[in-house]
Amino acid sequence: AQSVTQLDSQVPVFEEAPVELRCNYSSSVSVYLFWYVQYPNQGLQLLLKYLSGSTLVKGINGFEAEFNKSQTSFHLRKPSVHISDTAEYFCAVSRQGGSEKLVFGKGTKLTVNP
Amino acid sequence: GAGVSQTPSNKVTEKGKYVELRCDPISGHTALYWYRQSLGQGPEFLIYFQGTGAADDSGLPNDRFFAVRPEGSVSTLKIQRTERGDSAVYLCASSSPQGSNTGELFFGEGSRLTVL
Repeated sequence: AQSVTQLDSQVPVFEEAPVELRCNYSSSVSVYLFWYVQYPNQGLQLLLKYLSGSTLVKGINGFEAEFNKSQTSFHLRKPSVHISDTAEYFCAVSRQGGSEKLVFGKGTKLTVNP
Repeated sequence: GAGVSQTPSNKVTEKGKYVELRCDPISGHTALYWYRQSLGQGPEFLIYFQGTGAADDSGLPNDRFFAVRPEGSVSTLKIQRTERGDSAVYLCASSSPQGSNTGELFFGEGSRLTVL
């Protein structure tokens, strides 16, 4: 079975500051890794994903994440955040070779202040 | 439709009542998933359909919960004898045909269930 830990439940930052949202996972098999974003009153949408290849993946809205197999981490970063990035961010894993069934972390609420 | 559609968007019911939540996936998507998101938590897997059959129902919390997808498209999540602890947002997601291996789920906006 897989599990995901998002260590920070809330992250407040000022506009134009850099941000890192942390994600660690546990799995006995190879996994795919995802970050989903949920804006207020909207559904979850995919931000970026790691399936294979380069460990640095770039997503929408200037976000990127790096897969680190030795540390079982997939931290999300953005060099300069905007007010519009205020949302809840979920890290998720699925088993390679299986269905697209996702196991989610508890989420990190990012609040960008002016 | 263009995206995953869920109805109703909001449902308030009384303890002990029966509830149905509907999901209309993206056209052509063969896989359909139900998740439950409680306040302050990430989505928790309930059940997964591949076509008409439930390929994995390991997340259903008890026998009060049941889901169907009779024609391989629209799905209904059914909750009997609702309890206050069932209050949550129920999310539906679909993914593209089996074997595409994109790993991506497309989510609806959810049905918020409140049990009084």
